[in-house]
Amino acid sequence: GIQVEQSPPDLILQEGANSTLRCNFSDSVNNLQWFHQNPWGQLINLFYIPSGTKQNGRLSATTVATERYSLLYISSSQTTDSGVYFCAVKTSYDKVIFGPGTSLSVIP
Amino acid sequence: GAGVSQSPRYKVAKRGQDVALRCDPISGHVSLFWYQQALGQGPEFLTYFQNEAQLDKSGLPSDRFFAERPEGSVSTLKIQRTQQEDSAVYLCASSTPDNNEQFFGPGTRLTVL
Repeated sequence: GIQVEQSPPDLILQEGANSTLRCNFSDSVNNLQWFHQNPWGQLINLFYIPSGTKQNGRLSATTVATERYSLLYISSSQTTDSGVYFCAVKTSYDKVIFGPGTSLSVIP
Repeated sequence: GAGVSQSPRYKVAKRGQDVALRCDPISGHVSLFWYQQALGQGPEFLTYFQNEAQLDKSGLPSDRFFAERPEGSVSTLKIQRTQQEDSAVYLCASSTPDNNEQFFGPGTRLTVL
């Protein structure tokens, strides 16, 4: 089956710093989503981005489907950005596969 | 509008007990998914419904796990004879009619003692 990798696994940032999170996947996908899981466990939709580039405030994402990767950019990080960031891909059979996540800690 | 809701939010069961977890999807969402998330890991797919039809149950870990969505709206995940390894957060998601973007509920944290 499809494999999803995320890097880095852990990241510690000083408040105000920028970062890039990466998601690699091993096969063609129908769609890709980025989620933020907050410390209370809620999965929050960040981007639905099967291809191209999207921006929402301090966050932006780019997916290059032909090269099988997606990037999530966080600029001017805040302590509330802490948590785990997951990418999830959907195959043609509707099964959704999550990556292992990147655990982000933003320190003041 | 209201998001995906799940109940109960927390459940403690003694080993061997049966449990039932409920998911109310977003109104109008035809697709519904169940996931299991163990501590420190990403969610893992359990099963998928389109309306009342269970189209994929390949992720259910054993025959003790059973899911239903009889009227194509509310879904129930039932775990029979719970074991300690069933302890996890169970997440439900529903997706838009074009079956692409998923929205998650808050999850049910199951602890089996």
